[in-house]
Amino acid sequence: AQKITQTQPGMFVQEKEAVTLDCTYDTSDQSYGLFWYKQPSSGEMIFLIYQGSYDEQNATEGRYSLNFQKARKSANLVISASQLGDSAMYFCAMREGQNDYKLSFGAGTTVTVRA
Amino acid sequence: NAGVTQTPKFRILKIGQSMTLQCTQDMNHNYMYWYRQDPGMGLKLIYYSVGAGITDKGEVPNGYNVSRSTTEDFPLRLELAAPSQTSVYFCASSYMEGNSPLHFGNGTRLTVT
Repeated sequence: AQKITQTQPGMFVQEKEAVTLDCTYDTSDQSYGLFWYKQPSSGEMIFLIYQGSYDEQNATEGRYSLNFQKARKSANLVISASQLGDSAMYFCAMREGQNDYKLSFGAGTTVTVRA
Repeated sequence: NAGVTQTPKFRILKIGQSMTLQCTQDMNHNYMYWYRQDPGMGLKLIYYSVGAGITDKGEVPNGYNVSRSTTEDFPLRLELAAPSQTSVYFCASSYMEGNSPLHFGNGTRLTVT
């Protein structure tokens, strides 16, 4: 079964607008972490933001914020004030358990920012 | 600070050939990983290591081997290359903490023809 599901293969967003990227996850562990990565066309993987399952507040990092809804098992990434440089593939990933450090990745969402 | 360094960046192999993808990190991370990314897809874990001398299989280990003789190095060996191994390979490393992100190398683009 898929542990991470990203249902939006591609999205277009106007420059300066906000965009929400969906991510749902499946785990029976109480302790887990959720990560978002950006992969521009150059190919490198860039870490954006982290949310722990016990964190009471939604994570924020600059223009990135995470809408964490634990009961729904969703961890959506919100990018505010989109810039042309935000055009990239975005991956949601999960780490399960307290002693397991590997990540399971979703299939990704491609974001294209229009001027 | 180099981070995670992978070599080579590109490689073309003929079916049946072998090669080693090199990965080294200078952050003193305990954990190291190899992922592969097929076109338009997410990353799948091939092998990982929790420290020198310890390795374990990930989701797609068939056709690959790894070793971890030092903290810094985690080479990935492809034996008898097949077209199904055409992919981009990423090496990554992390600390042994739950909120520690994976730090990735820039990837190796491998084509098997």
